[in-house]
Amino acid sequence: QVQLQESGPGLVKPSQTLSLTCTVSGGSISSGDYYWSWIRQPPGKGLEWIGFLYYSGSTYYNPSLKSRVTISVDTSKNQFSLKLSSVTAADTAVYYCARDGRYFDFWGQGTLVTVSS
Amino acid sequence: DIQMTQSPSSLSASVGDRVTITCRASQGISNYLAWYQQKPGKVPKLLIYAASTLQSGVPSRFSGSGSGTDFTLTISSLQPEDVATYYCQKYNSARRTFGQGTKVEIK
Repeated sequence: QVQLQESGPGLVKPSQTLSLTCTVSGGSISSGDYYWSWIRQPPGKGLEWIGFLYYSGSTYYNPSLKSRVTISVDTSKNQFSLKLSSVTAADTAVYYCARDGRYFDFWGQGTLVTVSS
Repeated sequence: DIQMTQSPSSLSASVGDRVTITCRASQGISNYLAWYQQKPGKVPKLLIYAASTLQSGVPSRFSGSGSGTDFTLTISSLQPEDVATYYCQKYNSARRTFGQGTKVEIK
């Protein structure tokens, strides 16, 4: 059973960079069978897909966030990471990582990141 | 870019009722559509993929249909544990997009 777990700071100051890591267990990112995605959900709102990564390091980002997003992988640790730069209060959300077989069958528990000074 | 529009935004129905949620794509996406259930305070759960294939472990009262631009999620007999927000998601291209969600409540 694949499990994913997000980790990172729960509070980020405006204009700074949000950084989160997703640790995958029960399956290998390097298998190449799946993409690995980040998804977010502002409080009380819907789901927004941020982008995905393939084990090779290739990525695809939501065009609405592309200028601020970087997703990277550390296959030795079976982890992938999200960086979102120049954050504002609008980036306050629960951030999920998920296994992406084009749809999302396994999700992390989510981590709330609040952008506030 | 293709937009996904769900209707209604919310609904209230009685236990045992048949409930239908619609998801419309602004362009054809074949059957590259998934449905998720998100209970209050919980992680989204995959219900259906390929428009009509039930994910393992999902109760058979859930079903999906459609192709092209119009899709439906049906709950054949609404149960109290089905109170949740339901999202569709397209995956016909690299860009994954969710619908805005449909909140289902018990009357």
